[in-house]
Amino acid sequence: AIRMTQSPSSLSASTGDRVTITCRASQGIGSYLAWYQQRPGKAPNLLIYDASTLQSGVPSKFSGSGSGTDFTLTIGCLQSEDFATYYCQQYFTYPFTFGGGTKVEIK
Amino acid sequence: EVQLVESGGGLAQPGGSLRLSCAASGFTFSSYAMSWVRQAPGKGLEWVSGISGGGGNTFYADSVEGRFTISRDNSRTTVYLQMDSLRAEDSAVYFCAKGTYGSGSYSLDCWGQGILVTVSS
Repeated sequence: AIRMTQSPSSLSASTGDRVTITCRASQGIGSYLAWYQQRPGKAPNLLIYDASTLQSGVPSKFSGSGSGTDFTLTIGCLQSEDFATYYCQQYFTYPFTFGGGTKVEIK
Repeated sequence: EVQLVESGGGLAQPGGSLRLSCAASGFTFSSYAMSWVRQAPGKGLEWVSGISGGGGNTFYADSVEGRFTISRDNSRTTVYLQMDSLRAEDSAVYFCAKGTYGSGSYSLDCWGQGILVTVSS
């Protein structure tokens, strides 16, 4: 199975900050990468698919980039509702696999 | 509005079985692949299984291969996960999720609220 490695596993930031999360695949996955946000006690929510395409209804402060093995999620101007855990997921091949998650906490 | 509602969770003994159901509405069910994803308490997300829109193609994580079976009834717009030979490490919240395509490579654009499965004696 393809291993997805996210870094950092957690970070502290302030409201208004811009943060970047990275995701590395153990082998090339083209652009078959999605990013999800999960708030405590809630189901995940799709933010980005195909590495850089913003899901309908998701604010433009979220952006994704990368291809092959290295990907990034950038969140601009953090607001209180953005403090959550973020996961990357590859869907290049089965079994689909998720990264371990990045928890974004308030500094 | 797309809705996914899971049911069938609860307590099972090690070695026992449970069948999860996910009732879908608000979209053309047979046109989309479906997946099950689980999350153990305090842990990250783990993709468990997926099925194509027509039901002819099924896929599993290595951790559940041979023990879990995914299926769907397009006439009832419901996807199922039959879980046999359950282990303590299968304890998790199980989410049903809709794929963005009918088969192949897809992200998961709608999720159910999740249902808790606990495996314990």
